Amino acid sequence: DIQMTQSPSSLSASVGDRVIITCRASQNINNHLNWYQQKPGKAPKVLIYAASSLQVGVPTRFSASGSGTEFTLTISSLQPDDFASYYCQHSYRSPFTFGPGTKVDVK
Amino acid sequence: QVQLVQSGDEVRKPGASVKVSCKASGYAFSSFGIAWVRQAPGLGLEWLGWITPYNGETDYAQKIQDRVTMTTDLSTHTAYLELRSLRSDDTATYYCARDPINGWHTFDHWGQGSLVTVSS
Repeated sequence: DIQMTQSPSSLSASVGDRVIITCRASQNINNHLNWYQQKPGKAPKVLIYAASSLQVGVPTRFSASGSGTEFTLTISSLQPDDFASYYCQHSYRSPFTFGPGTKVDVK
Repeated sequence: QVQLVQSGDEVRKPGASVKVSCKASGYAFSSFGIAWVRQAPGLGLEWLGWITPYNGETDYAQKIQDRVTMTTDLSTHTAYLELRSLRSDDTATYYCARDPINGWHTFDHWGQGSLVTVSS
């Protein structure tokens, strides 16, 4: 199975900060990588698909890049609504595992 | 609009079974897969498997493949997840999600979640 790791596991940031989250796959997954945002008590919401494509309706302050085994999610200017947990998920082959998550909280 | 509405929270004893439903609306049900994902309290997301409604083909996570059955009812646009021989570590919120049958497995719409508590 393909294993996913994320760093950091948590971070504290302020509104307006640039935030970067890294996701690594245990083997080459090309660009088969999705990013989700989850708030407490809510279902996840897809932000990015195919490693770098912004889901319709997602603010443009979210961007992502990467291919192969290393990927990043960037929030260019953190907004109050962005304090949440973020998960990467590969979609290369079953099982489509998620990373352990990165919690972004208020500094 | 696309909606996935799940059944309510459940409490079961160890060894029992539970069946969670996920009713879809607002799109062509048979044209998309349904994935199931769970989240234990305070922990991350775990992919459990998926089903393609138009032919009933399933793909289960190895960890639970001996205890799980995913089905769909095309007449009611409803997907079901049944988990048997429940253990305390099955306590989690179970989500269904729409999964495009295009190889990308991007879960673009999710149900609200169903909490399953396993406790004696």
